Amino acid sequence: QKEVEQNSGPLSVPEGAIASLNCTYSDRGSQSFFWYRQYSGKSPELIMSIYSNGDKEDGRFTAQLNKASQYVSLLIRDSQPSDSATYLCAVNANQAGTALIFGKGTTLSVSS
Amino acid sequence: DGGITQSPKYLFRKEGQNVTLSCEQNLNHDAMYWYRQDPGQGLRLIYYSQIVNDFQKGDIAEGYSVSREKKESFPLTVTSAQKNPTAFYLCASKDREGQPQHFGDGTRLSIL
Repeated sequence: QKEVEQNSGPLSVPEGAIASLNCTYSDRGSQSFFWYRQYSGKSPELIMSIYSNGDKEDGRFTAQLNKASQYVSLLIRDSQPSDSATYLCAVNANQAGTALIFGKGTTLSVSS
Repeated sequence: DGGITQSPKYLFRKEGQNVTLSCEQNLNHDAMYWYRQDPGQGLRLIYYSQIVNDFQKGDIAEGYSVSREKKESFPLTVTSAQKNPTAFYLCASKDREGQPQHFGDGTRLSIL
């Protein structure tokens, strides 16, 4: 059974701090990795995609991928109260025609 | 505007009743997916379809049925065999292999 693991949280950080969210996956052949943000009562929204080892930056968000360690992370710099949400890590299984495998999500709370 | 439209937003089911959730997309995506999300839980895959007239069971297909007669449409029927249907149902689509899935706004189903 292919799995994606995340700490459920809550992860609490003060406004302006860096929030670090982590994710591990079991399928060593996975090729595509995504972070979604889900506000309470809403549907998931894609915020980052990463396909190669290393860092990918987009505004205040940085995704980090280490395929050797089967580890992907999301850093949120200058955290804002509006970043308070559940963050879902999703991994593309190494098999054509399959759906993404989602972690259960980490809840982030940013206090002002 | 291109996107994924789910309807209705809220749905109530009576005992022994089948209900159908609509999902329409105008993104010209081949692949479509149905997920179920329970409070505080991750996304669980119900069914998915890679092309018209073809679909596969996900992890929790029992008590559900789907059809894919048109590329744009992937309706989900929650049958009376699904004894615990109360959940948030999310439809998603994807352009091609390795790309992220994009979600509709969801349908919240409750039991009367």
